[in-house]
Amino acid sequence: AQSVAQPEDQVNVAEGNPLTVKCTYSVSGNPYLFWYVQYPNRGLQFLLKYITGDNLVKGSYGFEAEFNKSQTSFHLKKPSALVSDSALYFCAVRAPNAGNNRKLIWGLGTSLAVNP
Amino acid sequence: GAGVSQSPSNKVTEKGKDVELRCDPISGHTALYWYRQSLGQGLEFLIYFQGNSAPDKSGLPSDRFSAERTGGSVSTLTIQRTQQEDSAVYLCASSLGGTRYNEQFFGPGTRLTVL
Repeated sequence: AQSVAQPEDQVNVAEGNPLTVKCTYSVSGNPYLFWYVQYPNRGLQFLLKYITGDNLVKGSYGFEAEFNKSQTSFHLKKPSALVSDSALYFCAVRAPNAGNNRKLIWGLGTSLAVNP
Repeated sequence: GAGVSQSPSNKVTEKGKDVELRCDPISGHTALYWYRQSLGQGLEFLIYFQGNSAPDKSGLPSDRFSAERTGGSVSTLTIQRTQQEDSAVYLCASSLGGTRYNEQFFGPGTRLTVL
């Protein structure tokens, strides 16, 4: 069965330190992978995606993620965290053989808290 | 331009009543999705519309839930005979159609509370 796991419910990091939010997936074939962010009292926003090509993708707000096929991971990273990065982060995957069905499989989310 | 809008932003209802939640997608987006997000939980897929194709209803939790999309634009999610476990934030998203994936744009959600 296709699935996405975000193994950490919460991540705490000090402002200025690098941050990593983990995501692993299980899907047959080469997946399409996404990160979304949900700021407090705001809607979900797209951050970045991996479809094909370079395994390191860069997105909004200085975030990047690396697709690692052997480890079936797509961890979200940022070199220097800001307090304003505190939010709920969701990883999602779409199976490549889904045709025109763009339904995504979502992780349960990781709450990131950046402390000043 | 305008993003995805949803109404109402909050809805409090009594158990057993019917509710209708509305979603206005971004103009030109042919794909529309409904999700449910319970407190502290991830996103639960409910239903997906793509153009004139038959909707993917595989995520609807029971036959009390239904959705329609009129004219390929506005969508309404209806919950009949609401139960307390239906309390959640209902999110709508839209995306461009075509053969390539396009990211989903989310509305602010409707917070449903069933007393």
